[in-house]
Amino acid sequence: DGGITQSPKYLFRKEGQNVTLSCEQNLNHDAMYWYRQDPGQGLRLIYYSQIVNDFQKGDIAEGYSVSREKKESFPLTVTSAQKNPTAFYLCASSIVPFWGNQPQHFGDGTRLSIL
Amino acid sequence: KNEVEQSPQNLTAQEGEFITINCSYSVGISALHWLQQHPGGGIVSLFMLSSGKKKHGRLIATINIQEKHSSLHITASHPRDSAVYICAVKGGSGGGADGLTFGKGTHLIIQP
Repeated sequence: DGGITQSPKYLFRKEGQNVTLSCEQNLNHDAMYWYRQDPGQGLRLIYYSQIVNDFQKGDIAEGYSVSREKKESFPLTVTSAQKNPTAFYLCASSIVPFWGNQPQHFGDGTRLSIL
Repeated sequence: KNEVEQSPQNLTAQEGEFITINCSYSVGISALHWLQQHPGGGIVSLFMLSSGKKKHGRLIATINIQEKHSSLHITASHPRDSAVYICAVKGGSGGGADGLTFGKGTHLIIQP
């Protein structure tokens, strides 16, 4: 079945470490997105990519980096510059870039915690 | 930027009850989404609306563009409907990959 796979489900980071969250999709979607979810808040857009080898900052990109070397993969790196990284991270994709007007698909998320 | 308000924030009901969750937004939109987030965290897209009404099984979503308001209804609610329901809007004239504005969600618990 087609879908989005995020790994790992739970991730722990020590202070000063970079960690990378994986997101893979086999839906043949052009556009992929990373969101952050904090308790009591709506999802916030970190980065998005409309096509391979291109990506754009979202609303809260500071302390994060991404790459899009393959259509099916959009990994997110949480760098040591992100001072409050503990959150739930969701990856999403849509068939075309103008995705607000298209149905989106989400992964099951990765919960990141600081040790 | 659009402001999205959902009500209620929390809702506990008995199995079989008719459930209504509301979503209001501040500026005109091109599309509104209703999402369901399961206790494990994964999100499923339920509906995408730009006008009128959509129905899928026991779920009904309506939108009133003039009043900037949408409702999600669940008929004959069941404990498996327990989840967080999230409203999200795409503002403006459509196009532009700037993502969505999300509400904070409504936490629904259906008791047997």
